[in-house]
Amino acid sequence: DQQVKQNSPSLSVQEGRISILNCDYTNSMFDYFLWYKKYPAEGPTFLISISSIKDKNEDGRFTVFLNKSAKHLSLHIVPSQPGDSAVYFCAASRSGGSNYKLTFGKGTLLTVNP
Amino acid sequence: DAGVIQSPRHEVTEMGQEVTLRCKPISGHNSLFWYRQTMMRGLELLIYFNNNVPIDDSGMPEDRFSAKMPNASFSTLKIQPSEPRDSAVYFCASSLEAGAQETQYFGPGTRLLVL
Repeated sequence: DQQVKQNSPSLSVQEGRISILNCDYTNSMFDYFLWYKKYPAEGPTFLISISSIKDKNEDGRFTVFLNKSAKHLSLHIVPSQPGDSAVYFCAASRSGGSNYKLTFGKGTLLTVNP
Repeated sequence: DAGVIQSPRHEVTEMGQEVTLRCKPISGHNSLFWYRQTMMRGLELLIYFNNNVPIDDSGMPEDRFSAKMPNASFSTLKIQPSEPRDSAVYFCASSLEAGAQETQYFGPGTRLLVL
């Protein structure tokens, strides 16, 4: 049973436009959410995170929005750049003894066209 | 820092052979994770070490898989005997401390193909 779902395997946008990547989760115990970016032949790298006590976190061109009632989060990239082309993974964790454990979605391949 | 180092980067082996994957975490990091990435299951945690001690191995698929961390700077993931369904990319990651708010730094991965 997939607890973190990224329903769009791929997304293509034009340079300079907004990229919106979506993620849904089913486990209401999740209270911390992260986005990782992965280039080919490299490991995932941390991008941005958000705690469930917030509904928005911004870092430069990247903003993550959290809608707890809908169990939905999204990553906005504005403006998109060709270097943003990568696979983006959504991940979630819960407080408590297993707070080290990240549950990942399967990823969305973002292509930013020049 | 060089980041998390994994070797080999690619491994091709035949069914039934023993496979050993290696990881050197970032110096000073107390937590080490082994992940497996497949098309079917995505990225999943296999085992987690804290201060060289295995804390959670619930993700290890079966007894053919074993992992060790003999010291703070080295860990191995062994598959014996290997099977074609073990073909995947295996990532090692480390973090300064345990906890979701501690950033996990991933190595480049080992792409394993079992024929």
